[in-house]
Amino acid sequence: EIVMTQSPATLSVSPGERATLSCRASQSVSSNLAWYQQKPGQAPRLLIYGASTRATAIPARFSGSGSGTEFTLTISSLQSEDFAVYYCQQYNNWPQMFGQGTKVEIK
Amino acid sequence: EVQLVQSGAEVKKPGESLKISCKGSGYSFTNYWIAWVRQMPGKGLEWMGIIYPGDSDTRYSPSFQGQVTFSADKSTTTAYLQWSSLRASDTAMYYCARQDCSSLFCYNPGDYWGQGTLVTVSS
Repeated sequence: EIVMTQSPATLSVSPGERATLSCRASQSVSSNLAWYQQKPGQAPRLLIYGASTRATAIPARFSGSGSGTEFTLTISSLQSEDFAVYYCQQYNNWPQMFGQGTKVEIK
Repeated sequence: EVQLVQSGAEVKKPGESLKISCKGSGYSFTNYWIAWVRQMPGKGLEWMGIIYPGDSDTRYSPSFQGQVTFSADKSTTTAYLQWSSLRASDTAMYYCARQDCSSLFCYNPGDYWGQGTLVTVSS
């Protein structure tokens, strides 16, 4: 199975600043990589699929990049509602593994 | 409007059986697969596997193979996750999610998710 590794585990950012989250796959997943946002008590919300395509109604401040084994989620200017946990997931192979998550917290 | 609505929270004892549900609406239920995802308290997301309601073709993650059973009923557009003998370690939130896949490959990740079912197993 493919191991997904996210870094950092926690990211402290001030509102209005840029946040950069990383996700690494143990082998190539092509561009079949998704990013989710999860807030406490809520189901995950799809942000990005195909490594760089924003899901429906996702603001333009969220962007994804990468292919193969290295991926990045960038939040250009953090808003108060963006403080949450973010997960990457590969869906190129069964089983579809998630990373362990990056918590974005207020600095 | 696409919706996945899951059954309510459950409190069970070790050794008991359980079946939770995920009802799809607002789309063609047999055109998409349903994935199940576990989230243990305070932990991350774990992909358990996936079922195609059209013919009940199923893929289990090795970590969950033999521990749970997926099923689906096309007539009621409902997918199910069941345990024959619960353990305390099954205590978790369980989510279902819709995915666009073939029998070999998923074209997209989970785009719509259920609200989650909290399962608590305690003596």
